Amino acid sequence: EIVLTQSPGTLSLSPGERATLSCRASQSVSSTSLAWYQQKPGRAPRLLIYGASTRATGIPDRFSGSGSGTDFTLTISRLEPEDFAVYYCQQYGSLPRTFGQGTKLEIK
Amino acid sequence: EVQLLESGGDLVQPGGSLRLSCAATGFTFSSHAMSWVRQAPGKGLEWVSALSGGSTITYYADSVRGRFSTSRDNSKNTLYLEMNSLRVEDTATYYCARGHAVEVRVYDYWGQGTLVTVSS
Repeated sequence: EIVLTQSPGTLSLSPGERATLSCRASQSVSSTSLAWYQQKPGRAPRLLIYGASTRATGIPDRFSGSGSGTDFTLTISRLEPEDFAVYYCQQYGSLPRTFGQGTKLEIK
Repeated sequence: EVQLLESGGDLVQPGGSLRLSCAATGFTFSSHAMSWVRQAPGKGLEWVSALSGGSTITYYADSVRGRFSTSRDNSKNTLYLEMNSLRVEDTATYYCARGHAVEVRVYDYWGQGTLVTVSS
């Protein structure tokens, strides 16, 4: 099983700042099969990025993903108030599909 | 508009059984793989199972294999999760999620979730 470790656990930033979230895999993720989701309290997750860097439909271009192998990054270029949430990475290159434990992005 | 609506969550005793349903509208249900993902209270996401559009391929997490069964009725646009031998650690909100049209292993639409509580 591929274990995904996200860092930091909590990130405190202000609107307008740049956010950089990390996801590290315990072994190489095949074919950049890495996705990112956003979840707000009491809501279902929302797909942001798949294929490590492809934005899902309707996702603003301030969200970008990068990385390959074992190291992946989600970057939010300029934080908007609605971006404060929990973010999860997910690998889908091998079974079982696994998620990271999440990074909480909170308002500073 | 794509909508997924889960139902069937309840309070059940350890060792008990429950069947969850997920009613889909707004898209061609049979053309999409579907999955179940759960989230224990205050915890992260855990993938549970995946089922291809034609029900030919099914995958399960080790934690539920042999106890849970995923199925679908494409004539009713409904996904099911049959849960047996439930354990306290199965307590979670269960989400059904649609496989993306291009990358079927990621989930582009999710339901609002249904809560399963396993407790004596």
